Amino acid sequence: GESVGLHLPTLSVQEGDNSIINCAYSNSASDYFIWYKQESGKGPQFIIDIRSNMDKRQGQRVTVLLNKTVKHLSLQIAATQPGDSAVYFCAETSSNAGGTSYGKLTFGQGTILTVHP
Amino acid sequence: NAGVTQTPKFQVLKTGQSMTLQCAQDMNHEYMSWYRQDPGMGLRLIHYSVGAGITDQGEVPNGYNVSRSTTEDFPLRLLSAAPSQTSVYFCASSYSPRTLGTEAFFGQGTRLTVV
Repeated sequence: GESVGLHLPTLSVQEGDNSIINCAYSNSASDYFIWYKQESGKGPQFIIDIRSNMDKRQGQRVTVLLNKTVKHLSLQIAATQPGDSAVYFCAETSSNAGGTSYGKLTFGQGTILTVHP
Repeated sequence: NAGVTQTPKFQVLKTGQSMTLQCAQDMNHEYMSWYRQDPGMGLRLIHYSVGAGITDQGEVPNGYNVSRSTTEDFPLRLLSAAPSQTSVYFCASSYSPRTLGTEAFFGQGTRLTVV
């Protein structure tokens, strides 16, 4: 089956630096992408999402970029803080004619982000 | 507090035993789902439901059953536990499948060990 994957399994940055986490997907029918943050011992927490009719979306300190041509998305975290240390997952889903497959999220492997004070 | 509640948080089973993982949400969400998370991997969808009385299979449904008799509850049943089902299980809910991301809430997880 088609899958979503991450280029870098680990990322270490200094506090205050900007972080970029990358994700590649292979399903050309994907039209909705989500970034989740998962802290140790907790469930995934929604960060930001983007639909395929957009190429950029900004939130508070986070930006998601989508390049449909190369099937790649990235999560940029500005001024990274120690509290940002976590595992970050990208996920994708695609709609079919009935729309019910929106529920079938496919998650990437995850990237461990470590922020050093 | 509103949210997704999973019970139990930890469970050890012997091979062949059966059990039910409970999931409840009080947000009147239509969509609920179960995922499993194995070390070094992302979450994989087991089963999902788009509303009461409606369920469907995800990526890894074998060995699991679900039902959705009410909007609030979405239990996951392990019919005959196997060591391969050792994992962390997450339940998630959202108002509708089309708003899965913006309104998705995950439970705290159930860590299951099958010996």
